[in-house]
Amino acid sequence: NAGVTQTPKFQVLKTGQSMTLQCAQDMNHEYMSWYRQDPGMGLRLIHYSVGAGITDQGEVPNGYNVSRSTTEDFPLRLLSAAPSQTSVYFCASRSVREGQETQYFGPGTRLLVL
Amino acid sequence: LAKTTQPISMDSYEGQEVNITCSHNNIATNDYITWYQQFPSQGPRFIIQGYKTKVTNEVASLFIPADRKSSTLSLPRVSLSDTAVYYCLVGVRGADGLTFGKGTHLIIQP
Repeated sequence: NAGVTQTPKFQVLKTGQSMTLQCAQDMNHEYMSWYRQDPGMGLRLIHYSVGAGITDQGEVPNGYNVSRSTTEDFPLRLLSAAPSQTSVYFCASRSVREGQETQYFGPGTRLLVL
Repeated sequence: LAKTTQPISMDSYEGQEVNITCSHNNIATNDYITWYQQFPSQGPRFIIQGYKTKVTNEVASLFIPADRKSSTLSLPRVSLSDTAVYYCLVGVRGADGLTFGKGTHLIIQP
């Protein structure tokens, strides 16, 4: 299994541009989520999904949209990028198996908004 | 969701045992305690999860007292490569929208 993959690894945007951060997992996990991590901070939850066609907002959803058309993919869209969205973005999927819950994180996308 | 409190940072030396304590005074009956580790420029990685008493795996041990209002992650004989941020999470297993706090930045020195 490739686990959780994210593309791109790095991205530079100008204020007002839009883009989509891609996330895919091949573990057939129903639950997926997006976090952002600012320098020296913990992870803050942006959006999450409990299955295809179902999404919900996390702690910091403003400025981001998500959709979940398949179990495997969970893209994060920035409609009009702002400098405050400069951050590292992590996608995760979760398994609950044999009495243990585990989140698997992707390698992250580093986004700079100028 | 139960609020957690951890030390912001800790220092130790190679070969020592390190214990990181997390306070969660308002933990609910169905909540589990989970610890993650994050290296620089990487996503967090699951370490251990428990409900009560003691859980041990090949990486760490998790000690949870009877009142469950705190928990302690124990890392035996740490090495330089254990330098990382450690996060304590508390929530119902399978709950939606679990959040991470700022974690504990553990620095291991030679």
